Amino acid sequence: EDQVTQSPEALRLQEGESSSLNCSYTVSGLRGLFWYRQDPGKGPEFLFTLYSAGEEKEKERLKATLTKKESFLHITAPKPEDSATYLCAVSLWDKIIFGKGTRLHILP
Amino acid sequence: SAVISQKPSRDICQRGTSLTIQCQVDSQVTMMFWYRQQPGQSLTLIATANQGSEATYESGFVIDKFPISRPNLTFSTLTVSNMSPEDSSIYLCSGRAYQETQYFGPGTRLLVL
Repeated sequence: EDQVTQSPEALRLQEGESSSLNCSYTVSGLRGLFWYRQDPGKGPEFLFTLYSAGEEKEKERLKATLTKKESFLHITAPKPEDSATYLCAVSLWDKIIFGKGTRLHILP
Repeated sequence: SAVISQKPSRDICQRGTSLTIQCQVDSQVTMMFWYRQQPGQSLTLIATANQGSEATYESGFVIDKFPISRPNLTFSTLTVSNMSPEDSSIYLCSGRAYQETQYFGPGTRLLVL
């Protein structure tokens, strides 16, 4: 069964304290892996697409990496405005499957 | 990035009534989807909206409850029929664009009393 698992479920960090969020997957026919940011009451905001193992992408304080079994979203020196739920999703040929997300809270 | 708009952005409805949500996407989008996100939960795919034909529903979702139309490439509607409080959720329209990237609309927040 195709499955996407994110960890941890929730993470509280001090401002400036770097960390990583994990997304592990077991799927057949992976076409890509997405990371989204979602603020309360809003639709997911697209961050990155990764297509192959070894690929990395960066945007401001965020860097996403991909291996054959998992992806990491690294957050460097986070700020309170980085507080959000971060969703990982894997793209299959006809749909995408979401993980349950990691709720990130950055304390000032 | 693809532009996706939805309306209404929110609504409060009475039990037993129906609500139709509209979604407009720009021309980059090839596939369209409808998702539901219940409070504190992740996104659940309701169906794939197919242009000019019946939508493809996921397990647990049926056409009588969630009729979907997609009369052309860039427009789709989702109706939530005979609503109950359990239908209170955020409903999200989504579109897949070139190179598989999938974008989401701002969502429709529905509260059923």
